[in-house]
Amino acid sequence: EAAVTQSPRNKVAVTGGKVTLSCNQTNNHNNMYWYRQDTGHGLRLIHYSYGAGSTEKGDIPDGYKASRPSQENFSLILELATPSQTSVYFCASGELGGDTQYFGPGTRLLVL
Amino acid sequence: GEQVEQRPPHLSVREGDSAVITCTYTDPNSYYFFWYKQEPGASLQLLMKVFSSTEINEGQGFTVLLNKKDKRLSLNLTAAHPGDSAAYFCAVSSLPNAYKVIFGKGTHLHVLP
Repeated sequence: EAAVTQSPRNKVAVTGGKVTLSCNQTNNHNNMYWYRQDTGHGLRLIHYSYGAGSTEKGDIPDGYKASRPSQENFSLILELATPSQTSVYFCASGELGGDTQYFGPGTRLLVL
Repeated sequence: GEQVEQRPPHLSVREGDSAVITCTYTDPNSYYFFWYKQEPGASLQLLMKVFSSTEINEGQGFTVLLNKKDKRLSLNLTAAHPGDSAAYFCAVSSLPNAYKVIFGKGTHLHVLP
């Protein structure tokens, strides 16, 4: 059974709308991450968390918020979606900081 | 901050040939090094994790070399086969903020039958 799941797997949103991407992990890992993947940029870190209640800014946090209400769940929130946020978003979990990350299947987001 | 440069961005080889992907990094405090594989339409899967204390690591059909002096990490696929066709990403984490792992931009490998 997949240890890191994401929902939705595909999402079409309108400019200015609110989008919430959800991630759930059953690895009991403290650390969770949100990345976006774009051609020519690889993976870029948006937000991360090292435990329930914590969120930290990654390298490209502008336009995104994150929420970690529990050990298992980590959400990425786009309050006012823009077309530049069209991308594939990956969630990951890891036991130790800087150690192996376990990725979810990804969410394809299209902002029109 | 840490910079990771991965080359080449695209690579095509014939089945049975070797394929070499290289990453260079800048932070001398880099500690963990990773190679991930992403098959088309799929997520990233760990291929190998390398600690800074180990220079050569061998897996099934590939070798990872770490040259700390030159700050270079390489993935060498020996005798590539079509199932190796995928995107490969190196990743580096550094102290003190080891939570942030920096990924290379990826190499799209195509193995021709």
